[in-house]
Amino acid sequence: AQSVTQLDSQVPVFEEAPVELRCNYSSSVSVYLFWYVQYPNQGLQLLLKYLSGSTLVESINGFEAEFNKSQTSFHLRKPSVHISDTAEYFCAVSPTGANNLFFGTGTRLTVIP
Amino acid sequence: EPEVTQTPSHQVTQMGQEVILRCVPISNHLYFYWYRQILGQKVEFLVSFYNNEISEKSEIFDDQFSVERPDGSNFTLKIRSTKLEDSAMYFCATRGGLGNTEAFFGQGTRLTVV
Repeated sequence: AQSVTQLDSQVPVFEEAPVELRCNYSSSVSVYLFWYVQYPNQGLQLLLKYLSGSTLVESINGFEAEFNKSQTSFHLRKPSVHISDTAEYFCAVSPTGANNLFFGTGTRLTVIP
Repeated sequence: EPEVTQTPSHQVTQMGQEVILRCVPISNHLYFYWYRQILGQKVEFLVSFYNNEISEKSEIFDDQFSVERPDGSNFTLKIRSTKLEDSAMYFCATRGGLGNTEAFFGQGTRLTVV
């Protein structure tokens, strides 16, 4: 069975400050890892994903996440946030070769001007 | 850019009534999903659908729920007799292939059962 834990339900941060959104997972099999973002009144959009290879993955808008197998973590970071980054962020795992995505409870990132 | 379309965006229904939520997947995608998100809670998997049949379902997906793809395009979720606790945002998602391919989500249908 798989589970995803996002320890922080809400993260307020000032504009241009760095941010880290934490994600830990547990799984008895190898997994693919994803971060999805949900802007207000919209559906979920893929932000970035880890499949294999380099443990550091980046998105086009400055976010990055690092897969740490020993700590079973996939934390999301951004060195300098913008107002437009205000959204709900969901970490998700998918067992390799399987059909489903399993989501964490989400972290609401609020960027304060 | 291809997108998943869900209708209606918001539906209010009386307890005990049947509702049908509709989704138009991205063409040539093979895997279809329904998720729900109760207000303030996590996104929960309901069911996955492939090759015109359910491939996996969660404990939430009991006999009150059903899915079908009646005309080869629309992918529907039916709730036979709605309960208050069915109130949630329902998301449809589609995927071109297994595993590492991106799941594309619709904007969701907010179901309110009164």
